[in-house]
Amino acid sequence: GEDVEQSLFLSVREGDSSVINCTYTDSSSTYLYWYKQEPGAGLQLLTYIFSNMDMKQDQRLTVLLNKKDKHLSLRIADTQTGDSAIYFCADPTNTDKLIFGTGTRLQVFP
Amino acid sequence: DGGITQSPKYLFRKEGQNVTLSCEQNLNHDAMYWYRQDPGQGLRLIYYSQIVNDFQKGDIAEGYSVSREKKESFPLTVTSAQKNPTAFYLCASSIDLRSLSTDTQYFGPGTRLTVL
Repeated sequence: GEDVEQSLFLSVREGDSSVINCTYTDSSSTYLYWYKQEPGAGLQLLTYIFSNMDMKQDQRLTVLLNKKDKHLSLRIADTQTGDSAIYFCADPTNTDKLIFGTGTRLQVFP
Repeated sequence: DGGITQSPKYLFRKEGQNVTLSCEQNLNHDAMYWYRQDPGQGLRLIYYSQIVNDFQKGDIAEGYSVSREKKESFPLTVTSAQKNPTAFYLCASSIDLRSLSTDTQYFGPGTRLTVL
């Protein structure tokens, strides 16, 4: 079945770049998504990328998509303490469901 | 303001009791979803509904029940048959089940259920 995988933790120093990686198995999706979850809250859509794109940049966020390897990454430039959260990639697949990765907990330290 | 509300934010229940979690949306979305979140396991789909008076089981429906009598409301009941009910529960909605909109799913703030 469809599967989305992420590493569980990432720790970076404030001001450095963060790179959160995701692999997926269903390559038929039109979009792939990144969500952010702050402590004790719901998920917020952070950004998305069309499946026919290789890269999308949105201010400090850069999404890279390698369709051949089914690999998606989210780069956060100049990471701030407010970026500390759990980040989920999500694949809508070709079914009725949105498949979420396990989430990567980003910890930013001074 | 449009959005999804879940209540209460924290809920405590004794083992063996049924409990109902509320989810309301005023986004005029057709589709609604319930997820369960446990540490290190991401989100798992419990139930989803495409339209009023219709719903389908997700991946972990056992021990849960839902209803969809109104478009804006999708309450989840955690029954005594659910073996490990303590978790963070998230409700979401989308324009429709196969929406290609970049808005994808909107999430509520969640309810943390603790069974004592």
